[in-house]
Amino acid sequence: SQKIEQNSEALNIQEGKTATLTCNYTNYSPAYLQWYRQDPGRGPVFLLLIRENEKEKRKERLKVTFDTTLKQSLFHITASQPADSATYLCALEDSGGSNYKLTFGKGTLLTVNP
Amino acid sequence: DTEVTQTPKHLVMGMTNKKSLKCEQHMGHRAMYWYKQKAKKPPELMFVYSYEKLSINESVPSRFSPECPNSSLLNLHLHALQPEDSALYLCASSQDFGLARETQYFGPGTRLLVL
Repeated sequence: SQKIEQNSEALNIQEGKTATLTCNYTNYSPAYLQWYRQDPGRGPVFLLLIRENEKEKRKERLKVTFDTTLKQSLFHITASQPADSATYLCALEDSGGSNYKLTFGKGTLLTVNP
Repeated sequence: DTEVTQTPKHLVMGMTNKKSLKCEQHMGHRAMYWYKQKAKKPPELMFVYSYEKLSINESVPSRFSPECPNSSLLNLHLHALQPEDSALYLCASSQDFGLARETQYFGPGTRLLVL
C-alpha cells in the first residue's frame, strides 16, 4: 500500500507570502492526486485534483504540481490570507484489490499570520 | 445541492449503550463512505458502500455495524464501544467507487465520546 509523507506537521507564514506544502509518496505513481482542506472539527473539503500527465493545475490562488519522477506533489497558495489557515491533506489512490480507495496523508497545519 | 449532512453533531455514550450515526446526501452519488479520524491524524477508511452494497470493510470491529437503507442514506450503528473509539466520524460520498479520479464530498462529522 501507499505511504504518504507530508513534509511538515506545521507551517507558519506571513500574510501575503506564498505557502508551499509538500506531499511525497513511496510506492507506485498514482494516476491522480488530490488535495483537500480541513478546518478544525470539520470534514475535509476537496480543492484540486491533478492527473499524472499534468505537470501543473491552477485554481484561483491555488497551484498544484505533480512530479512522478520525484514522487512528489507541491501545493502552493499565493498571496496567502489568514482565512487560508487550516490543515491541508494530500490524498491518492491506494489499490485494494480491484478497487481504488483514497488514502490521506497526515496533513500540514498552515497558519497565516496577519 | 452538494452537501453531505450528518447527525448528530456530538454524541456522548457509555460503553453499554447502543446508538446510531446518520448520513444523508442528495447528489445522486452511488458510493458512500465511513471514516474515523483521531486528533491530528488523517481520516481512516472504515467502510465503503457502492450501489447500496458493502464493498469494503477495513477489518473494523463488529461493534461498528454499517447499514445503507437506500442510495441517499448511510447509518453506522454503534454497540458496546470502547473509550478508544472516541473520535470524529466522517461520512463521505462520491459519484462512483473504485475509480482513482473520484473526489469525495465529506460531511461535517459526528464527534463521538465514549465514557
